[in-house]
Amino acid sequence: KAGVTQTPRYLIKTRGQQVTLSCSPISGHRSVSWYQQTPGQGLQFLFEYFSETQRNKGNFPGRFSGRQFSNSRSEMNVSTLELGDSALYLCASSLGQGAQFEQFFGPGTRLTVL
Amino acid sequence: GESVGLHLPTLSVQEGDNSIINCAYSNSASDYFIWYKQESGKGPQFIIDIRSNMDKRQGQRVTVLLNKTVKHLSLQIAATQPGDSAVYFCAENKIGRNTPLVFGKGTRLSVIA
Repeated sequence: KAGVTQTPRYLIKTRGQQVTLSCSPISGHRSVSWYQQTPGQGLQFLFEYFSETQRNKGNFPGRFSGRQFSNSRSEMNVSTLELGDSALYLCASSLGQGAQFEQFFGPGTRLTVL
Repeated sequence: GESVGLHLPTLSVQEGDNSIINCAYSNSASDYFIWYKQESGKGPQFIIDIRSNMDKRQGQRVTVLLNKTVKHLSLQIAATQPGDSAVYFCAENKIGRNTPLVFGKGTRLSVIA
């Protein structure tokens, strides 16, 4: 079974631009969560989608948004990029919502904002 | 690799020795804990979990210990191998609540061959 895939793997953008990252979950998984990983803050939760609805949201500004499609694929968007948005963005999928469902992580998208 | 650059505590261990990685968790209400391993260029990978009704759980070459009194988790890796070199994170959550995982800062394990 294929794992979680994320595209693109690397991105370079400039301040003020916007970016869209994509995540394809493991087949049959309906929950997708997004995390931001930085050297200073570690892994921080962005949001979780289940059945096309955002179920949880972390403490990030409104510039960070996401959505989930009917096939469970998810995208996240960051508008008006700032230097501090440079990070590894990780997507994780699970069968269902809740701590009892193991999360499987993708390799991440490395975003660099210049 | 993707985890390079993280400003983390580092544990250096000789190949074949046992490793102990520690984690302090923050929420006394958490009742479910997970250890993840993140190798360079990859996302975190599940290693082992433990629920709060246990204080010890063993897997293949790994053991997790939970001390709820002091909110402390440890991961023990027996006979550490070069392939164990990675960043290790603990994460906490609460069963039955649709709350997100909260990750610790991580520890970099470096195995000396």
